[in-house]
Parts: sequence; C-alpha cells; structure tokens
Amino acid sequence: GAVVSQHPSRVICKSGTSVKIECRSLDFQATTMFWYRQFPKQSLMLMATSNEGSKATYEQGVEKDKFLINHASLTLSTLTVTSAHPEDSSFYICSAARTGGNYGYTFGSGTRLTVV
Amino acid sequence: GQQLNQSPQSMFIQEGEDVSMNCTSSSIFNTWLWYKQDPGEGPVLLIALYKAGELTSNGRLTAQFGITRKDSFLNISASIPSDVGIYFCAGRSSNSNSGYALNFGKGTSLLVTP
Repeated sequence: GAVVSQHPSRVICKSGTSVKIECRSLDFQATTMFWYRQFPKQSLMLMATSNEGSKATYEQGVEKDKFLINHASLTLSTLTVTSAHPEDSSFYICSAARTGGNYGYTFGSGTRLTVV
Repeated sequence: GQQLNQSPQSMFIQEGEDVSMNCTSSSIFNTWLWYKQDPGEGPVLLIALYKAGELTSNGRLTAQFGITRKDSFLNISASIPSDVGIYFCAGRSSNSNSGYALNFGKGTSLLVTP
C-alpha cells in the first residue's frame, strides 16, 4: 500500500513555456502533499506544502506565482512551473502523507525537468 | 527547513562489510526516517522510527532513534552490490513551520565493490 504516482517522469520544454507535474496517491487519501526540488548530487529541498482544499504554503525563497500548486482532491496535487527558464531545470519530487497516526512519507518517482 | 547533519558524505566499501551512517540535529525530532534513492528515482522508505530509543530492523538494515531525539543511525550488515545508492535521513519536528514536512540530511553515497 501507500503508492504515489508522479507524472511525467521526464519532460523537456522550451524556455518561456509552462509545465504541469501531477502527483497522485493511488491507494490512500492524502490531505497533505509536499513538493521538493533536488539538484544533482544534492539533498531534497522542500518547496511547498500542499493541503487539500486550501492554499499551498511555500518555503522562503520559492516564488508562488512561478510554482503554482493545486490540491483539488484528496488524491491529486499538481505543480505547474510557469514561464520556465533553464535555471528551473531540476528533479522535482512529490510526497504524500496521511494525517493522523504514524505513517511513513511516500515519495513519487520524480520528474526530471529540462528547460532548453 | 532545518538541515540535518548526515555523515559520512560517502563510503566506498567491499561486499560483505558492514556500514554505519548517522544523522544529528540541533533540534528535537519526533520522527526519524531513513530513505534510499537510486539515480533518477524518488526516495524509497527503508525504516521509520517514532519513539526515542526505538531500535528497528528491516532485513539487513537496523536503525535507531536516539534517546536525545536529536540523532539517529542506520546500519547495513553484510553489504551487497545492490545496496549501492544514496541514503538520506529525514526528520520531522512537531514544531516545524512546514507542518508535517520532512527535513533531509545531505545524503550518504554508498558504493559497494564485489
């Protein structure tokens, strides 16, 4: 159980375009999802916390207008990178957690974004 | 978020050897997690620890939640080539400004030679 599906796994886009990444919890309801960014050979850095039915909470230094997060249902959160630039190229990973009780945090398989 | 101090940064060992890595934090955590990440993939949960002093095993892996709640270690016994990857510790604080979000260590890169 506790499977998180992330799509797409890889995407290449032109500079200035927008890219949407989906994160789905397949066998549980995730009231909270998290979006991380990971640069090569570095750790995961939290970008934002997404709560179903409410606005996302962004970490300091993360532009909310650039990284749009929508958590419209208990099983789906999306991250849209708007007006992408080459410096946005990175590995984006989502994570989902059930609230209450002791649960490990399940991660998606990640999305490799390359902006050219 | 808070950065955890994870060491060592990398390890290069021979198959069959035991491995130990640890994480420390200046703050108290109420959950410690250990993940393994393969290239191009998301982290996969290895062991979750929820109580101070808790010692948990998962096959050849053993992890402990430090009594002070500021540290944790992960041991891998009798390493095999498929243990190669990057291991991350992660902690969650009840006082985190990000709610349930995890704070990650910088990772330990493990290489195992046959």
